[in-house]
Amino acid sequence: EAEVAQSPRYKITEKSQAVAFWCDPISGHATLYWYRQILGQGPELLVQFQDESVVDDSQLPKDRFSAERLKGVDSTLKIQPAELGDSAMYLCALGSLNTGELFFGEGSRLTVL
Amino acid sequence: QKEVEQDPGPLSVPEGAIVSLNCTYSNSAFQYFMWYRQYSRKGPELLMYTYSSGNKEDGRFTAQVDKSSKYISLFIRDSQPSDSATYLCAMSTIYGQNFVFGPGTRLSVLP
Repeated sequence: EAEVAQSPRYKITEKSQAVAFWCDPISGHATLYWYRQILGQGPELLVQFQDESVVDDSQLPKDRFSAERLKGVDSTLKIQPAELGDSAMYLCALGSLNTGELFFGEGSRLTVL
Repeated sequence: QKEVEQDPGPLSVPEGAIVSLNCTYSNSAFQYFMWYRQYSRKGPELLMYTYSSGNKEDGRFTAQVDKSSKYISLFIRDSQPSDSATYLCAMSTIYGQNFVFGPGTRLSVLP
């Protein structure tokens, strides 16, 4: 089972500010995902990495969101400027090539005031 | 119509009851199915992963897939208060990728 460390666990910011989230896979996995989960809804894919390359970012609002995975290990997701509608849980997940399973971190909960 | 649908609940059952959680989907190409449990303010935790149709059992949990009806189920036997959480289904057409999630069903097991 994969282990994923995310930080910060909680972030409160004002709209128009910049915010960043980090994902650190404790075990090495080639495939890394960022999901956004709005309260009461299921996770929705923002971006998928295979090693350091973006495989799918079709749902990432690129005017304000950016994601990178330097060296194909840890990853950052940035929002600038934050908007009220960005309040959500941001989840990092690792995909297992051996089993096809998807393992999530504990998430970073963002509140935009 | 959303690709994956779940009754949001809340579903309340007494301790010891058998719980049935369900998802329906519209894309007949889905063939990889997962169930997650998510406690409040936590990340989703993988419970069951199945491929194609059939049943899979793990302890008190049984996952069932009926591709002909586009319907999957998760059964929890001898439910415990610690099972109180939101249960998410997820499915994909491609091995290990592009999972689409349902909105989740909130379950409350009353002692």
